[in-house]
Amino acid sequence: EAQVTQNPRYLITVTGKKLTVTCSQNMNHEYMSWYRQDPGLGLRQIYYSMNVEVTDKGDVPEGYKVSRKEKRNFPLILESPSPNQTSLYFCASRGPYNEQFFGPGTRLTVL
Amino acid sequence: GESVGLHLPTLSVQEGDNSIINCAYSNSASDYFIWYKQESGKGPQFIIDIRSNMDKRQGQRVTVLLNKTVKHLSLQIAATQPGDSAVYFCAEEEERDDKIIFGKGTRLHILP
Repeated sequence: EAQVTQNPRYLITVTGKKLTVTCSQNMNHEYMSWYRQDPGLGLRQIYYSMNVEVTDKGDVPEGYKVSRKEKRNFPLILESPSPNQTSLYFCASRGPYNEQFFGPGTRLTVL
Repeated sequence: GESVGLHLPTLSVQEGDNSIINCAYSNSASDYFIWYKQESGKGPQFIIDIRSNMDKRQGQRVTVLLNKTVKHLSLQIAATQPGDSAVYFCAEEEERDDKIIFGKGTRLHILP
């Protein structure tokens, strides 16, 4: 089944404790991206990647890092999480006809 | 989940009627537009898209209209069903820079 998977689905952590949210897609898509979704603000793009070893900042990249060492994986790294990064995070990949496929989401709480 | 829906405008439609969800976009240079549906507890799901060289595109039970003059996009859902209940987002993209900007969303509520 063609899909985007994210792990973990839920995470509660404390300020300053480094964490990684993994994202994987099995559709051989070149374009992948990360979004955060907050009430009243909608979906905002954090980072995107056009291909392996190519990453670019989206609208809200501060406090986040990404890497794209292989096509299928695009992890999101929070080196020192803060409470304002409490949010619902979505990974997505985009196919050759521009249709984006979203993962199921990761709900992160930073205390 | 449900917290996504806070502060969103809501459109209530009788089951079987047509729904029209509107969206104003911000960038006059945007040349690609997409509508997404997000059900509670799930990620957004692609519905239909349209490029700026078109003003109308039809899918199965859905139609997207684009008015570039006033930077307005609409999604029409024919014969609305209970399964259409969700939050709907429009998104715009300037394809040369690959950034996608989402609208705030509209909740569609189906009345029995």
